[in-house]
This record gives sequence, structure tokens and C-alpha cells, in this order.
Amino acid sequence: DAMVIQNPRYQVTQFGKPVTLSCSQTLNHNVMYWYQQKSSQAPKLLFHYYDKDFNNEADTPDNFQSRRPNTSFCFLDIRSPGLGDAAMYLCATSTGLAGGSYEQYFGPGTRLTVT
Amino acid sequence: AQSVTQPDIHITVSEGASLELRCNYSYGATPYLFWYVQSPGQGLQLLLKYFSGDTLVQGIKGFEAEFKRSQSSFNLRKPSVHWSDAAEYFCAVGAENDYKLSFGAGTTVTVRA
Repeated sequence: DAMVIQNPRYQVTQFGKPVTLSCSQTLNHNVMYWYQQKSSQAPKLLFHYYDKDFNNEADTPDNFQSRRPNTSFCFLDIRSPGLGDAAMYLCATSTGLAGGSYEQYFGPGTRLTVT
Repeated sequence: AQSVTQPDIHITVSEGASLELRCNYSYGATPYLFWYVQSPGQGLQLLLKYFSGDTLVQGIKGFEAEFKRSQSSFNLRKPSVHWSDAAEYFCAVGAENDYKLSFGAGTTVTVRA
């Protein structure tokens, strides 16, 4: 089945120690998104790629970076995680970007714990 | 910019009873509306969506939603709830020429036996 895969499902990192979260998709979608979701809150968009074009949300901290080496893979790098970065990180994909009519397909998420 | 309000933070319903979750949106033109469900520790799964046409939309898992433009609402309903429906439900709105989805704060549904 075509899907969005996130690895690892659970990640524990130390305060200030860089961490990378991975997302892959077999849907061949052009757009990939990264969301941060804190407990009992709505997902918050961090950034997205349309093909190789990167778009950072204005309020996304510089501590968060992303890479998309090819259509299938996208990575979220947190350069110096703080306690406030503990959250669920969701990857999503969609076929198109223009307008809100393209539904987003979400992965299962990576739960990040910062100690 | 578009926005979504889900007035109910938490709803408790008995198994077999009906369920209705409220969603109100703010957007000047025709919105693109979605309902997602999130089980504990999982990602979001699309239940249904409305883009145009028939205002009563059928989704997966026996859910339906009705778009009411006059009330700016897109309420989600299920006639008979199963224990497996316990989850968090998010309403989201998209708009033409805007790549972002605006999510509501979510409604947590608890199902009691």
C-alpha cells in the first residue's frame, strides 16, 4: 500500500544534542510537509517542500531545518533541541500545492522526547 | 486568512449513541473543508472532505458531515458510536491560493461502555 512512513516512531534525545527525523513516501507526491504537534493542540506547520522548493513558515525557529534529497524522502533536523521542542512531529504529503483542495496524507508521527 | 473553531474540547458519549462534533469556519469564499481523526499516538487520518457539490458528505467509518454555508459550519456526525471511535477529531479548512490548512484545536471523544 502506498503510504507515508516516519522513522523512528519514538526518539529520545538530550538537551542540545542534534537530532534528525525521517519521512518517506511511496505516493510520489510533489509536496511534503512537516508539522509540530504538542499535547492536546492542533498540528502547527513548520515548513513544506514543493518538489525542491522549500518554504519556511515565518514563525518556525531557526533551530529547525529540513532537507529533501529526492521525491521520496524528507528530513527534519533539530540542531539544538530544547525542552520546549518535545512534541509529536508529523510528516504529510499532497499531490499539489495551489489552493487547499489537495488533501494531505499523514504519517504516523515521531514522538520526540528531550531529556 | 481562514480559521476554524471547534467549540467542544471534550465530548463523552455512550457506545451506540449518536455523536455530533461541531466545526465553524471563517473564510470569505468557498472553503475546502476536512475532518481528520487522530487515535492516541498516531498520525491524522482523513475521514471526509468537502470541496463542492452535495453539501452532505459521506466519509469512512460511518461518518458524515454537512456543509452549511449560511451557518459557516461543517459538523461531523455518526449515528451509532463504537468504542473504537474514541479519538481526537480535527476540523480543518483550506482556501484557494493558500497552501496551508488551518486546523481547529480538536475535540476529544471519549466513549463509555
